Amino acid sequence: EAAVTQSPRSKVAVTGGKVTLSCHQTNNHDYMYWYRQDTGHGLRLIHYSYVADSTEKGDIPDGYKASRPSQENFSLILELASLSQTAVYFCASRAGLGGEDTQYFGPGTRLLVL
Amino acid sequence: GDSVTQTEGQVTVSESKSLIINCTYSATSIAYPNLFWYVRYPGEGLQLLLKVITAGQKGSSRGFEATYNKETTSFHLQKASVQESDSAVYYCALSMNTGGLSGKLTFGEGTQVTVIS
Repeated sequence: EAAVTQSPRSKVAVTGGKVTLSCHQTNNHDYMYWYRQDTGHGLRLIHYSYVADSTEKGDIPDGYKASRPSQENFSLILELASLSQTAVYFCASRAGLGGEDTQYFGPGTRLLVL
Repeated sequence: GDSVTQTEGQVTVSESKSLIINCTYSATSIAYPNLFWYVRYPGEGLQLLLKVITAGQKGSSRGFEATYNKETTSFHLQKASVQESDSAVYYCALSMNTGGLSGKLTFGEGTQVTVIS
């Protein structure tokens, strides 16, 4: 079974502070994703990466940075956290395009910005 | 852009009764999307329930079924007899494998299913 872990599982941050969410996968997958979910909405793509040391913008990248230092690790960085970034964040991984397209998700990180 | 719509935000159903969750999609590409149902149990991440990549085909898993209908652009999820353990949030999603680099999933809003005894 594919494994994606996230840390922390929950966090309270102050407005204007820096937040780093971490994701680790043991699937040997090329692709990794960060999504956010707001109450009453589906998951939306923030950033993704298909190779180490490279990241790409998703549909809602404003206010977020991403880092992929290795194939296994993918971080989401909020340099200046804002109230509107309160949400649940999910990381996912998948094999490369053209192969198995199932995405495997982590358990999520619940972020509350005060 | 692509979109997925789930009309029911919350559904409550009695144990052993049938369940249907509606899902419709819109894809901007002329190619047909791959369609998925994901489920999120309390305290866990999303996990794949079933997927169908060919229009007209049916997918099934754990007693759930969904048929890919390209005429009505729908992918409704059904189960004939639910159990309390089916209580979860269900997400309909699509992906396009027609080019581009992301391979992203486009999700519906999710449907919270609560099964009562």
